Amino acid sequence: SQQGEEDPQALSIQEGENATMNCSYKTSINNLQWYRQNSGRGLVHLILIRSNEREKHSGRLRVTLDTSKKSSSLLITASRAADTASYFCATGVTGANNLFFGTGTRLTVIP
Amino acid sequence: EAGVAQSPRYKIIEKRQSVAFWCNPISGHATLYWYQQILGQGPKLLIQFQNNGVVDDSQLPKDRFSAERLKGVDSTLKIQPAKLEDSAVYLCASSLGARGPAYGYTFGSGTRLTVV
Repeated sequence: SQQGEEDPQALSIQEGENATMNCSYKTSINNLQWYRQNSGRGLVHLILIRSNEREKHSGRLRVTLDTSKKSSSLLITASRAADTASYFCATGVTGANNLFFGTGTRLTVIP
Repeated sequence: EAGVAQSPRYKIIEKRQSVAFWCNPISGHATLYWYQQILGQGPKLLIQFQNNGVVDDSQLPKDRFSAERLKGVDSTLKIQPAKLEDSAVYLCASSLGARGPAYGYTFGSGTRLTVV
């Protein structure tokens, strides 16, 4: 499968703590993207990291990419209740025209 | 800028009926995607358009699903006849990228279809 797999499937933390989600994939990629989906809504693009990048920051988000291990992680620092959502990694596979989405991590931030 | 517009937001139909979804992408976005998201799973691509041409429809169940993007702007996705397993959220997305996901996608809010 070209889909990424997120780990863990579900994560529950207290407000203010950091949340880390991992994504593993199997094929060669051009880039990897992370999306957030609030319940009953569409996906929102968070960050894109290219295959020649190792780390990228955006506000409270930090994404790492290790192409040798075919894995990525998303760190959300100082979490807030509003961060409660499902988070998906999506891979831009080399030679393919579109993104392949994983199954997601369900994050719950408890106030 | 305006986001990706989708309608309707919800639809309940009986099996074997037909249904149509509409999507208006962000102005200037050449590429439009329809994804199916079954509860508890990630989105799965059904069809990808660039302007009014189909780039990838390999995962579209063509015996019952059809899609078009006339004039290279808005798009419709149709299911006829619907099956119970078609119950899902149908997401439309658009992107600047001409080919390949070099940019992030902008998604609409989706249409939640329930087939009973």
